[in-house]
Amino acid sequence: QQQVKQSPQSLIVQKGGIPIINCAYENTAFDYFPWYQQFPGKGPALLIAIRPDVSEKKEGRFTISFNKSAKQFSLHIMDSQPGDSATYFCAASRETSGSRLTFGEGTQLTVNP
Amino acid sequence: KAGVTQTPRYLIKTRGQQVTLSCSPISGHRSVSWYQQTPGQGLQFLFEYFSETQRNKGNFPGRFSGRQFSNSRSEMNVSTLELGDSALYLCASRLLNTGELFFGEGSRLTVL
Repeated sequence: QQQVKQSPQSLIVQKGGIPIINCAYENTAFDYFPWYQQFPGKGPALLIAIRPDVSEKKEGRFTISFNKSAKQFSLHIMDSQPGDSATYFCAASRETSGSRLTFGEGTQLTVNP
Repeated sequence: KAGVTQTPRYLIKTRGQQVTLSCSPISGHRSVSWYQQTPGQGLQFLFEYFSETQRNKGNFPGRFSGRQFSNSRSEMNVSTLELGDSALYLCASRLLNTGELFFGEGSRLTVL
């Protein structure tokens, strides 16, 4: 019940394309859903996060879509750039769990010039 | 503002040894958590400390332990190292009442 499943494992797009990464969770008690971006040799960094009271959140070129009934959420990257090439992790947590995030398996995104 | 600082960045140990990793959180952040990152298991929560008290613990054996000092700096210790403990150990800090974790660059442990 604590799992977060992420797909695809890897993704290659051309510059300007719109990669979409999907995540599904099981625990309905989760109430915080962040996405983290990780470059090689660096720690993950928060990209954008959403709570289940909204269905979409947009920050710059990054958008989270959230479907509470389906227990799914996804990340869309508009006008992707080679600099977006990184590994992306979705995660979920309960507000009462503090810093305990349950992460998805990660998606390695490559944006070709 | 300085970010989360982890030391050492790289280390090599042999089976049976123990290791201590250190983490200095962002100034003002009193919550420190630790994660293990491996290619096979991904990012897994180890534990969280706040005000020198362990607040939450993941599903790891007792060989993994940690502590936090009064200045919020934290250490984690792994005793009786096993080959499977080879991983990137990430420390993260956060302000209370916010969800955002700020990760350090990690300590890469190799167990031979």
